[in-house]
Amino acid sequence: AQKVTQAQTEISVVEKEDVTLDCVYETRDTTYYLFWYKQPPSGELVFLIRRNSFDEQNEISGRYSWNFQKSTSSFNFTITASQVVDSAVYFCALSEHGSGNTGKLIFGQGTTLQVKP
Amino acid sequence: GAVVSQHPSWVICKSGTSVKIECRSLDFQATTMFWYRQFPKQSLMLMATSNEGSKATYEQGVEKDKFLINHASLTLSTLTVTSAHPEDSSFYICSARRSLVGGEQFFGPGTRLTVL
Repeated sequence: AQKVTQAQTEISVVEKEDVTLDCVYETRDTTYYLFWYKQPPSGELVFLIRRNSFDEQNEISGRYSWNFQKSTSSFNFTITASQVVDSAVYFCALSEHGSGNTGKLIFGQGTTLQVKP
Repeated sequence: GAVVSQHPSWVICKSGTSVKIECRSLDFQATTMFWYRQFPKQSLMLMATSNEGSKATYEQGVEKDKFLINHASLTLSTLTVTSAHPEDSSFYICSARRSLVGGEQFFGPGTRLTVL
């Protein structure tokens, strides 16, 4: 069965510190997508990244970077030089796309990041 | 592009009444729409998946007679919470996807339902 685990419930850092949010997933499918979303206090989900199971290249976008390792079933997210505006709840999610799957998103429990000035 | 709207953004109702929440894809046709529920400080839980023109597929434990979903067009899906009770108070979020398989889901801003 598919499952996403974000073991860190809450993280608190001081501005300009680097922080890594962990995500471990379980799936029997060979074709799947992994996502990260940000949910600020307003509640609206903000899409950050989508990565398919065949692309293990790490990605960097500004202060954000993602490390995808199939060997450990992990898709970790690092924010470099964190800022107060990064404070939010971050969700990792999995979407299976093998035969018979609808592509629904399975979310992790979320990690609340607090960046203090 | 790829904007999804929800209406209303918040609603307060009395116990026993029904509430309808609309989810619209504004600039694309959504073959599939999803409805999620999020309780305070918890994750998003999928309630149902709906494809345009067909009956919604509900997740285990979600009462289909209580949470009526209609996906009558490629740009509109509605969720009706029938005979709402205080335990139905939650944040309801919809998402829309262009294609049947694969493709990114675009999320609406959510609807906060409070049942008194």
